[in-house]
Amino acid sequence: QQPVQSPQAVILREGEDAVINCSSSKALYSVHWYRQKHGEAPVFLMILLKGGEQKGHEKISASFNEKKQQSSLYLTASQLSYSGTYFCGTGYIYNFNKFYFGSGTKLNVKP
Amino acid sequence: DAGVTQSPTHLIKTRGQQVTLRCSPKSGHDTVSWYQQALGQGPQFIFQYYEEEERQRGNFPDRFSGHQYPNYSSELNVNALLLGDSALYLCASSFQGPGLGYGYTFGSGTRLTVV
Repeated sequence: QQPVQSPQAVILREGEDAVINCSSSKALYSVHWYRQKHGEAPVFLMILLKGGEQKGHEKISASFNEKKQQSSLYLTASQLSYSGTYFCGTGYIYNFNKFYFGSGTKLNVKP
Repeated sequence: DAGVTQSPTHLIKTRGQQVTLRCSPKSGHDTVSWYQQALGQGPQFIFQYYEEEERQRGNFPDRFSGHQYPNYSSELNVNALLLGDSALYLCASSFQGPGLGYGYTFGSGTRLTVV
């Protein structure tokens, strides 16, 4: 039931772009994205609901492909502050409040 | 506006003991979920409380139990502690539940070490 994230880790230079993927084998109702910095709590970035919408938050945006049961997080023109571990969290159509997180993607943005 | 408050921040217990962790949700939130996060891993869903009832449960044994009070605060109890229970325990609050379109606010967690 846990969503699968890829890649596991990404190293970027400032200004470069990255894409993080989250996929599920079961029908999704919602996908959340969170960022966790070392030693801190995860912080909510955005939520996408069933319907294939795309959302944005600063230079970070995400999409939800309902047919593929996938979501992608797009980080453009990355900044040092984007470093951290990104988690997707998923709620399912059959039980949207049973909420699971992926294993995370560690992003390291270097100067 | 205070966010999610967890206590204690750190705890060291001996194998076989029992522990209680506490959480006060963000103002306006009525749903509390508990997660266990091992080092380098994603948060693992333990259970969720809404209207003082356990509404959802993940794949955790009955040694893990909880409670929610009328003021929405919550406790996580773990009995017969095992070394493998050592982890960061995160409390996350939301309005009515994360699946309905409202994001979680996480607390800073309780770091439990079982020796």
